[in-house]
Amino acid sequence: QQQVKQSPQSLIVQKGGIPIINCAYENTAFDYFPWYQQFPGKGPALLIAIRPDVSEKKEGRFTISFNKSAKQFSLHIMDSQPGDSATYFCAASIAGNQFYFGTGTSLTVIP
Amino acid sequence: DTAVSQTPKYLVTQMGNDKSIKCEQNLGHDTMYWYKQDSKKFLKIMFSYNNKELIINETVPNRFSPKSPDKAHLNLHINSLELGDSAVYFCASSLRSGVEQFFGPGTRLTVL
Repeated sequence: QQQVKQSPQSLIVQKGGIPIINCAYENTAFDYFPWYQQFPGKGPALLIAIRPDVSEKKEGRFTISFNKSAKQFSLHIMDSQPGDSATYFCAASIAGNQFYFGTGTSLTVIP
Repeated sequence: DTAVSQTPKYLVTQMGNDKSIKCEQNLGHDTMYWYKQDSKKFLKIMFSYNNKELIINETVPNRFSPKSPDKAHLNLHINSLELGDSAVYFCASSLRSGVEQFFGPGTRLTVL
């Protein structure tokens, strides 16, 4: 059973657009929600993370929106650039326990 | 450089062979992991070790055997390789379970 459901599977946007990737979870015990970015031929790397006590977190052009009641969180990339083209994974975990990754979203930003 | 390193980066072998992938982290982390990433990019956790002790063993064929000689190393040995084992294998580490994981560069295994 997929603990974290991610959509869409792939996304193509024009440069300057705002791609949005969505994730949903069921386990209300999750208390850490990171996003990972993976470039071809590389391992995933932490991009930004949020804990459920806040509804939004921004780091540069990347923003996580978190809706605790809906059990959903999403990644927004402002002013997207071709260099943002990568696969993005959401994840959820309980401190001291296992990470659960989403199925990944392949983002292509067209110049 | 502080990092998670894996060797080899590429591994091409015949069906039925036995192979090992090595992983080392110099981040001082207590927890290490092995993930399998298939052609659809799906990341599936295989094993997790905390202080050399196995804490997660997902549904993985027993042909796969992790070995942790110390906290900084987690090696993956695979017996009787099958075509379906072809994938990219990532090692990762974290300070403890459930917090940020740092991934290695991956080992692309191709079974012919």
